Amino acid sequence: AQSVTQLDSHVSVSEGTPVLLRCNYSSSYSPSLFWYVQHPNKGLQLLLKYTSAATLVKGINGFEAEFKKSETSFHLTKPSAHMSDAAEYFCVVSGGDSSYKLIFGSGTRLLVRP
Amino acid sequence: DAGVIQSPRHEVTEMGQEVTLRCKPISGHDYLFWYRQTMMRGLELLIYFNNNVPIDDSGMPEDRFSAKMPNASFSTLKIQPSEPRDSAVYFCASSRYPGNTGELFFGEGSRLTVL
Repeated sequence: AQSVTQLDSHVSVSEGTPVLLRCNYSSSYSPSLFWYVQHPNKGLQLLLKYTSAATLVKGINGFEAEFKKSETSFHLTKPSAHMSDAAEYFCVVSGGDSSYKLIFGSGTRLLVRP
Repeated sequence: DAGVIQSPRHEVTEMGQEVTLRCKPISGHDYLFWYRQTMMRGLELLIYFNNNVPIDDSGMPEDRFSAKMPNASFSTLKIQPSEPRDSAVYFCASSRYPGNTGELFFGEGSRLTVL
């Protein structure tokens, strides 16, 4: 069965400093992995996706993630945080017997200090 | 192009009342999903439709929950009777090819409070 574990429930950074949100996955199939972002009182929006092409994936708003099979990780990074990045971030896995069923992690809330 | 539209955005009701949540997917999207989000359980898939047909409803909590999609542009999620533990944000999402592309387009959610 597929699952994802987001290692931090909250991350706090200062504006202009790097962001690292950690995600480990478990999958008995070759996984597809995604990061979604949810701003307060809004729906979720796709940030980026990995679907077995390049292992370094670039997304919107300067975010990127690297798929590391040996570490079963898919961490999300950004070189320099902006106040508008404050939101909740979800690591997501699909694949397996029903790739239409996305499995969401528990979320990491990113706080950006001025 | 309009995104996924959900109504109502907020609903407060009393235990035992019927609740109906509505969703209009993006035109041309063949897949529609209903999710529930709570602090305790995170995001849970309740049911999804393909071409208006329910494909997997294994996430629907119990018989009090039902979902319909009478046509390609409208879906409802009904709770009857409602209970306080149903309090959550309910999201509708649609997609053209959700498979491994994984891109779902979410509405802004319906926040339900059952007193």
